[in-house]
Amino acid sequence: TQLLEQSPQFLSIQEGENLTVYCNSSSVFSSLQWYRQEPGEGPVLLVTVVTGGEVKKLKRLTFQFGDARKDSSLHITAAQPGDTGLYLCAGARTGGFKTIFGAGTRLFVKA
Amino acid sequence: DVKVTQSSRYLVKRTGEKVFLECVQDMDHENMFWYRQDPGLGLRLIYFSYDVKMKEKGDIPEGYSVSREKKERFSLILESASTNQTSMYLCASSGAPPTVAPQHFGDGTRLSIL
Repeated sequence: TQLLEQSPQFLSIQEGENLTVYCNSSSVFSSLQWYRQEPGEGPVLLVTVVTGGEVKKLKRLTFQFGDARKDSSLHITAAQPGDTGLYLCAGARTGGFKTIFGAGTRLFVKA
Repeated sequence: DVKVTQSSRYLVKRTGEKVFLECVQDMDHENMFWYRQDPGLGLRLIYFSYDVKMKEKGDIPEGYSVSREKKERFSLILESASTNQTSMYLCASSGAPPTVAPQHFGDGTRLSIL
């Protein structure tokens, strides 16, 4: 059972388009992280959100943590080919060591 | 800069062999993790360690063991490799607290069991 559901699983868009990736759960998390993984490499952290309703921006990427801390979204404005990769969300629970990863959204941005 | 190094990028072994995957981090992190990554399943935690000689089972520990004799090194052992253990294996480390501190990943070992 996947505790963190990511959607869509695959996304292929043209350069310049906007997109949103979702990460949903029925569980509450103390924090949620977004990673990007490129082929042949390990995931690299993009952002950590810890407060319900929190919004963080990283250049053209906007991350939001749901008010109830059960879900999150990643919005990319004017996507570029360099944004191509696998986007993973990961949730952690208070007092625990384990981080639960979603299955990922594979994004292709065509020039 | 943070560095997590996995000993092999690609590895091919035979069914029944004992396989060792090594991971070294240079950040003096307390926590280290081993995951396997399979298409459509994301990263699944095999084992983690929060201190030297300490280990805890993750979600899929069957068929695996680990060793952490030194703070910087965390080894994953496949006691008797089987074909269903063919996968990408990722090692990660993090500081404290583990629920907030980012995990730093190595580049992965793609293991094929024939």
